[in-house]
Amino acid sequence: EPEVTQTPSHQVTQMGQEVILRCVPISNHLYFYWYRQILGQKVEFLVSFYNNEISEKSEIFDDQFSVERPDGSNFTLKIRSTKLEDSAMYFCASRRTSGGRYNEQFFGPGTRLTVL
Amino acid sequence: AQTVTQSQPEMSVQEAETVTLSCTYDTSESDYYLFWYKQPPSRQMILVIRQEAYKQQNATENRFSVNFQKAAKSFSLKISDSQLGDAAMYFCAYRSANKLIFGQGTELSVKP
Repeated sequence: EPEVTQTPSHQVTQMGQEVILRCVPISNHLYFYWYRQILGQKVEFLVSFYNNEISEKSEIFDDQFSVERPDGSNFTLKIRSTKLEDSAMYFCASRRTSGGRYNEQFFGPGTRLTVL
Repeated sequence: AQTVTQSQPEMSVQEAETVTLSCTYDTSESDYYLFWYKQPPSRQMILVIRQEAYKQQNATENRFSVNFQKAAKSFSLKISDSQLGDAAMYFCAYRSANKLIFGQGTELSVKP
């Protein structure tokens, strides 16, 4: 069964460094998402991406964050200058269509980001 | 703005028994989708069950079922014949336009 994959599973970085989190969505999906979960807290929406552009973003997704789909398979989240409070689990998700039966989002296993 | 509330931070159930996890939400939309996700210690997010708001019939997936009360904006999850593998964090989620809004989660423990 197709699944969303994410790399790396765990990333440790120094404050102020740039990180890129990578995701490979399910191949026939059209909508892509990033969520984050600070330890012990709920999952929060960061950004959605469709047709090679951001369709919606949250207040968390400030200028330090960017997303890109550099080719036909990868979907990346970049944090330009990491802060301690960026330490969290980052989930990528993808969805096939805009509505109807196929509206569920499939999540990847997550990347744990630790900022020291 | 839509909100999702799970008022039970922790729940416990005896193996083979039934447990119900509560979720309420607030929205002005009439057509929407609701989900329950399971997050085991691995922290993977696994879809448990889905409910379309326009459907009056409650969704069922094997041992998992929901009690969807649209007027009350309530969406509870019932787990029957609980198994040790059901122990996890459970998140209720509302699909708003192009994103999911999650509740705070309920940590379910299953006692042998």
